[in-house]
Amino acid sequence: AQTVTQSQPEMSVQEAETVTLSCTYDTSENNYYLFWYKQPPSRQMILVIRQEAYKQQNATENRFSVNFQKAAKSFSLKISDSQLGDTAMYFCAFREQTSYDKVIFGPGTSLSVIP
Amino acid sequence: GAGVSQSPRYKVAKRGQDVALRCDPISGHVSLFWYQQALGQGPEFLTYFQNEAQLDKSGLPSDRFFAERPEGSVSTLKIQRTQQEDSAVYLCASSLFRGGTEAFFGQGTRLTVV
Repeated sequence: AQTVTQSQPEMSVQEAETVTLSCTYDTSENNYYLFWYKQPPSRQMILVIRQEAYKQQNATENRFSVNFQKAAKSFSLKISDSQLGDTAMYFCAFREQTSYDKVIFGPGTSLSVIP
Repeated sequence: GAGVSQSPRYKVAKRGQDVALRCDPISGHVSLFWYQQALGQGPEFLTYFQNEAQLDKSGLPSDRFFAERPEGSVSTLKIQRTQQEDSAVYLCASSLFRGGTEAFFGQGTRLTVV
């Protein structure tokens, strides 16, 4: 069974600084997708960034980038120039390339951006 | 609507009461998912619909949980004889088609069983 692990329950970062959130996963599949979702107090789950396992190039979305290490089954999220609005729970998530979109989530990391 | 809509946003139920949680997916979205998110944890998969067909219900924790999507759009998650351990946020998500890469989530229903 696929599992997703986030070893940092809580993290904090000064505004404008850079922070990296860690994620590891376990799967026997070769083709899959990885995601980082943001969940602010409003509970709305928002997709931050996605990575296809077959792509070697790390995904980037503005201030957000990932370090995808397929052999190590590691998928970390780097947030540059942290902003107060980045304060939220961050979930690493996995989806195998099957016939539908069942997503498996990690336990989450609570990120606080300090002014 | 523009996004996935869930109602009610908050529900307080007495133990033993039946509840029904509603999800309005994005119009035209084929896939619909329900997740249960306990306090301080990540969402856990409950069930999946492709149009009106419930293709996966492996995550439903007991036979007190029942979900339906009779016309392939709106879905209802029903919990019978609620227990305190059912207290959680219930998230609904939809995606455009089978195999689509992005699921859009609603804001969830926070269920508290007292």
